[in-house]
Formats: sequence, structure tokens, C-alpha cells
Amino acid sequence: DAKTTQPPSMDCAEGRAANLPCNHSTISGNEYVYWYRQIHSQGPQYIIHGLKNNETNEMASLIITEDRKSSTLILPHATLRDTAVYYCIVRVGGSQGNLIFGKGTKLSVKP
Amino acid sequence: IAGITQAPTSQILAAGRRMTLRCTQDMRHNAMYWYRQDLGLGLRLIHYSNTAGTTGKGEVPDGYSVSRANTDDFPLTLASAVPSQTSVYFCASSRDSSYNEQFFGPGTRLTVL
Repeated sequence: DAKTTQPPSMDCAEGRAANLPCNHSTISGNEYVYWYRQIHSQGPQYIIHGLKNNETNEMASLIITEDRKSSTLILPHATLRDTAVYYCIVRVGGSQGNLIFGKGTKLSVKP
Repeated sequence: IAGITQAPTSQILAAGRRMTLRCTQDMRHNAMYWYRQDLGLGLRLIHYSNTAGTTGKGEVPDGYSVSRANTDDFPLTLASAVPSQTSVYFCASSRDSSYNEQFFGPGTRLTVL
């Protein structure tokens, strides 16, 4: 699986959009970008994933650059409950086994 | 039950004791996983099961065993607990082993003294 790089921490004002970047410059053509988050003391939670097209669901949007070397997770209207560690994971579609969680980005949403 | 549950929520255990952490899911998922999470080390896979009746070793399997007698349950056993097994343990499941959307339980906080 390709290596990912994320900033260790970010702040966001409540009600504003939170944009979390992830670099994955060595991503290969069959690798997807997955995002999970972990709210304090809880189990990780799947958010969204994509291959090359932008994706949106009820939780977030995922923007993947045309060269696929980076992506951005967007929480359109961050709330205090979105304070969590966000993990960007790159993985071959259909591959088996565990997810590899790096250190992620600690997002703090402030009132 | 809705989703994936774990028991107990937390436990303090004397070293050398045997302990089984329970995990149950009601989503009829084929694949299940056990991770441990330690400060500074992230989540690491202990054991996994791609389908009922099969299990496999993850990154850190030593000192742990699992069984998968049916689709719903995936218990993790520490035969003789040691202090280095103090950790938060998460069980997860996915529709099948090639499906990367994993659903995680709330975790079990285990302290071995």
C-alpha cells in the first residue's frame, strides 16, 4: 500500500468547512483512497473512499487531484462532534487483510 | 444488537490470568478482525477471519488466539496475560475480506498488572 502523509494537527472553527489534506505521491493506478476517523475513545469510523473521481456522501466530500498524488477530505460544516483523528489510507481495491492506520490528523473544531 | 458489540468495556487483569474478549456482529459480515491500539503505535492487527471456520495471523499475533465457530462471534483469548498486553482492543468486521469498509466496535480497555 502506498505511503500517506498528513499534517499532525489542524484547527477549524465550528460551522466552517474543514479541509483535511493527504499526500500519496506513490499511489498506483489500482489503489483507492480511504478516509476513517476516530473520535476520542471510540472505534474508528469509515467516512468515504474514492479512486479518481470526486465523491460525496452524507458525511463528507473527497476531492482527488487529477494526478491522484493528493486528496482532500472536506467536512462542509464542521461541528464540535467532528473533533477527531482523521486517517487517510491508500489501499488496492479488493485486497485482503488489515487496514494500516498511520498517525492521522488531529482535527480540533473550536466554537 | 445493532452493528458490532464488544465485552467487557474495560477490565483489570492480573498477569498470568486467562481472559477472553468477546465480539459479536449482527450484520452477517464474513470478515472479522481484532486490532490493538497503543499510544504512539496506532492500530495493529492481531488476528483476522475471512469467513466462519477460518482464521489468520496479523501483525502481532503472539500471546493471542481466536476462533470463529460461526459468522457472528469472534472471541479473542489471552491464554496467560502479560503487562505488555495492556492496550485498547478493537474488533471490526467487513462484508468480506476484500471489502475495505470496516465497521469497528467500541473497544475493550484492558489493563494487565
